[in-house]
Amino acid sequence: GEDVEQSLFLSVREGDSSVINCTYTDSSSTYLYWYKQEPGAGLQLLTYIFSNMDMKQDQRLTVLLNKKDKHLSLRIADTQTGDSAIYFCAESSYGGATNKLIFGTGTLLAVQP
Amino acid sequence: DTGVSQDPRHKITKRGQNVTFRCDPISEHNRLYWYRQTLGQGPEFLTYFQNEAQLEKSRLLSDRFSAERPKGSFSTLEIQRTEQGDSAMYLCASSILTGEASGAFFGQGTRLTVV
Repeated sequence: GEDVEQSLFLSVREGDSSVINCTYTDSSSTYLYWYKQEPGAGLQLLTYIFSNMDMKQDQRLTVLLNKKDKHLSLRIADTQTGDSAIYFCAESSYGGATNKLIFGTGTLLAVQP
Repeated sequence: DTGVSQDPRHKITKRGQNVTFRCDPISEHNRLYWYRQTLGQGPEFLTYFQNEAQLEKSRLLSDRFSAERPKGSFSTLEIQRTEQGDSAMYLCASSILTGEASGAFFGQGTRLTVV
């Protein structure tokens, strides 16, 4: 079955790098996504990676994908207090277009000033 | 068009009442999704539409739940005979069907409290 797992909590100091990890079980996962959710709000799409890539960089965000180990990570460089939020990893098992997303339970990132 | 819009943002209802939520997707997006999120969990897929066709329903969507997208634009999610276990955030998302899956964009959600 499909399952996505994340660690529950990460605390970093402002200016440091944050690395949030995710593992998934579905070997047919085609796209993997990172979403950010602030308190009481909906989900904001941060970035995504196609399964035939191993890295994607977008400004302060770097996504690394190890397809063999089914491991995905999100690195946030120069973490700011505004980055404090819950980060969700999600996978989609259908190619060509987004179908349903399977989400992890989320990682709460706390940035200390 | 600034994004996916959901209405209402909050709803408090008594157990046994019916509720209906509305979602207006990003205008050019032909796919629309409903998810449910409970405290401390990630969103769980409920159903999705491509244009007006409902293509998939989760087994989480009991017969008390019904969703429509009559003209392929806005969608409604109705819950009949609400139960306390229905209390959750209901999230709507939309995406566009192209050759590359660029991701689904979410609304702010409707928080339902059943008392």
